[in-house]
Amino acid sequence: ETGVTQSPTHLIKTRGQQVTLRCSSQSGHNTVSWYQQALGQGPQFIFQYYREEENGRGNFPPRFSGLQFPNYSSELNVNALELDDSALYLCASSLVGATDTQYFGPGTRLTVL
Amino acid sequence: GENVEQHPSTLSVQEGDSAVIKCTYSDSASNYFPWYKQELGKRPQLIIDIRSNVGEKKDQRIAVTLNKTAKHFSLHITETQPEDSAVYFCAASTGQAGTALIFGKGTTLSVSS
Repeated sequence: ETGVTQSPTHLIKTRGQQVTLRCSSQSGHNTVSWYQQALGQGPQFIFQYYREEENGRGNFPPRFSGLQFPNYSSELNVNALELDDSALYLCASSLVGATDTQYFGPGTRLTVL
Repeated sequence: GENVEQHPSTLSVQEGDSAVIKCTYSDSASNYFPWYKQELGKRPQLIIDIRSNVGEKKDQRIAVTLNKTAKHFSLHITETQPEDSAVYFCAASTGQAGTALIFGKGTTLSVSS
């Protein structure tokens, strides 16, 4: 098992609400990437954070935003939730200079009703 | 952008048989190709990876081969065991800071005893 942790494990929200998901990276890792995994699909890249700045972004609207803190932990915020946002949200940590070697957390299962 | 195709979507084998999963990628700049195993309800777990300066890599019963000219790479599992049953994802990355892992849609491997 990796040292990447996420909270909460499960979350149920209603359409239009806002949600914040949290991720603690593996010890020594300074880069965090977030992915959305819909049922039966591979993970899709949302964005990556390094040195508290967004360092790359996938094809997700601006209502998906994030933060990285000085201890390298990270948050994913989603505003104005839509039914299609229901998915498993995964964070992955890595080392700068080796950001492609990513280790995933257990994920947060978000259900939007 | 990068596109990764993965085949087959499902694969059923008898215990002890070999299993092969194939992926193709579109971006010739991709140079890092990891494979993840995801058991039901668990995180994607990195099982093996290969970089574009290597043609083959082995780790016990698992091997990955890469053909850069044809832009395809494959996962080979020998002497399969029931605990190998899971969803396997291939991915590709250019390795540049801020870039994503682009995943295939996954292969559900079932090993029956």
